[in-house]
Amino acid sequence: EDKVVQSPLSLVVHEGDTVTLNCSYEVTNFRSLLWYKQEKKAPTFLFMLTSSGIEKKSGRLSSILDKKELFSILNITATQTGDSAVYLCAVPKTGNNRKLIWGLGTSLGVNP
Amino acid sequence: EPEVTQTPSHQVTQMGQEVILRCVPISNHLYFYWYRQILGQKVEFLVSFYNNEISEKSEIFDDQFSVERPDGSNFTLKIRSTKLEDSAMYFCASTPRAGGPETQYFGPGTRLLVL
Repeated sequence: EDKVVQSPLSLVVHEGDTVTLNCSYEVTNFRSLLWYKQEKKAPTFLFMLTSSGIEKKSGRLSSILDKKELFSILNITATQTGDSAVYLCAVPKTGNNRKLIWGLGTSLGVNP
Repeated sequence: EPEVTQTPSHQVTQMGQEVILRCVPISNHLYFYWYRQILGQKVEFLVSFYNNEISEKSEIFDDQFSVERPDGSNFTLKIRSTKLEDSAMYFCASTPRAGGPETQYFGPGTRLLVL
């Protein structure tokens, strides 16, 4: 059965800390992995990763994929209170349906 | 920037009533989805829709649920006879043409409360 597992489930840090969020997957016909940030409402897209070892970066956020070990990490450096959210990892199925297989998410709290 | 929109943002209904949740996907997208998220739980896939028909549905998507694309823009989810356990946030999403990126773009959600 396809699955996506995230760790830790929750994390509380102080502003300025660096955090690393983990996502491991077991999905047939893997093609890509997506990271989303969910605050109060809909998940907002952060990164799509398709190739191992190539870091995607956006400001203080970066992510990398390891297709051999079947995991991805999301790093946030110099965290700010606005980074507090649930970070979701998802893997799309291939084919016409393309449904997303979701992890449970990591709830990140950043304290001032 | 184009975005997925959903209406209403909140819906409160009595058990047994029918509800229709509406979505307007991004205009050149071809794949449409409904997901739901019960408070504190994982986002769950409900149904995917492509080429004017359901391409996959989960076991949650039983006979109480139906989807329609009644015109070129709207994509609706109907729950015929709501149950208490249907209370959740319902997200619509869309992705671009075949062969395009697999990134799904989500609407802001409709929070459904069944009393």
